[in-house]
Amino acid sequence: GAGVSQSPRYKVAKRGQDVALRCDPISGHVSLFWYQQALGQGPEFLTYFQNEAQLDKSGLPSDRFFAERPEGSVSTLKIQRTQQEDSAVYLCASGPEREQYFGPGTRLTVT
Amino acid sequence: DQQVKQNSPSLSVQEGRISILNCDYTNSMFDYFLWYKKYPAEGPTFLISISSIKDKNEDGRFTVFLNKSAKHLSLHIVPSQPGDSAVYFCAGWGGYGGATNKLIFGTGTLLAVQP
Repeated sequence: GAGVSQSPRYKVAKRGQDVALRCDPISGHVSLFWYQQALGQGPEFLTYFQNEAQLDKSGLPSDRFFAERPEGSVSTLKIQRTQQEDSAVYLCASGPEREQYFGPGTRLTVT
Repeated sequence: DQQVKQNSPSLSVQEGRISILNCDYTNSMFDYFLWYKKYPAEGPTFLISISSIKDKNEDGRFTVFLNKSAKHLSLHIVPSQPGDSAVYFCAGWGGYGGATNKLIFGTGTLLAVQP
C-alpha cells in the first residue's frame, strides 16, 4: 500500500478485556515501531522490530502488553486485561529508522 | 525525565507572517532532530530534520535551527499559511542500535494560522 495502515481505527473495550491492534507497514520497510500517545502528550515509544526480531521492548508499560511481527511484515500489539490507563492512541510507524512514517493510529477507549 | 520539551502549548500567527516553534532537549546524545506535523485523526507526518552536526537546514518555507550549546532548536515557517495549522512535534533520535533507535517526542505545539 501507499502508507502505513492500522486497524481498527477505533476500539472500545470494557475493563478487563483483551484487545489486539494491527499494523500493516509500508511494503519493504524493515523497521517497525509502536508508540502510545495519551491525550495532550507526544507519542511515547513502546517497542521496535527489525524484520521479525523485537530489538527493543523497553517502552512497554507492563507485562500485559505484548507485540509480535512473526513474518517480518504485519505486526500486532496485544493488550491483556485492559485498564482505564491504557486508553490512548496507539501509533505504528515503519521505515528508515529516523524518518519514520506513521499510520493514522488506533484510538483505544477502556470503559 | 522529559528529554524533549516544547514549552509553548499553542501559538497563533497571522497568515503571511513568520511562525517560530521552539524545542529544548536535555539528552546530548541525540544524533538527529526531527519535526513532525499532525492533523486531527491522522498520524504524524515528517516535516524536516537536522543532523546534530549542523546548525541549520532549510526546505522551502521551513527552516530548522539548532543551537547545541543551548540544547535548543526552533522551526521557522515563512510565510505561514492557514494549511499550516496543526500540532507540531519536535523529536530527538538517538542513532542506530537497539536501545537508541527510537524517536523521543516533545508534547507538541498547536499552531493556528489566522487568515
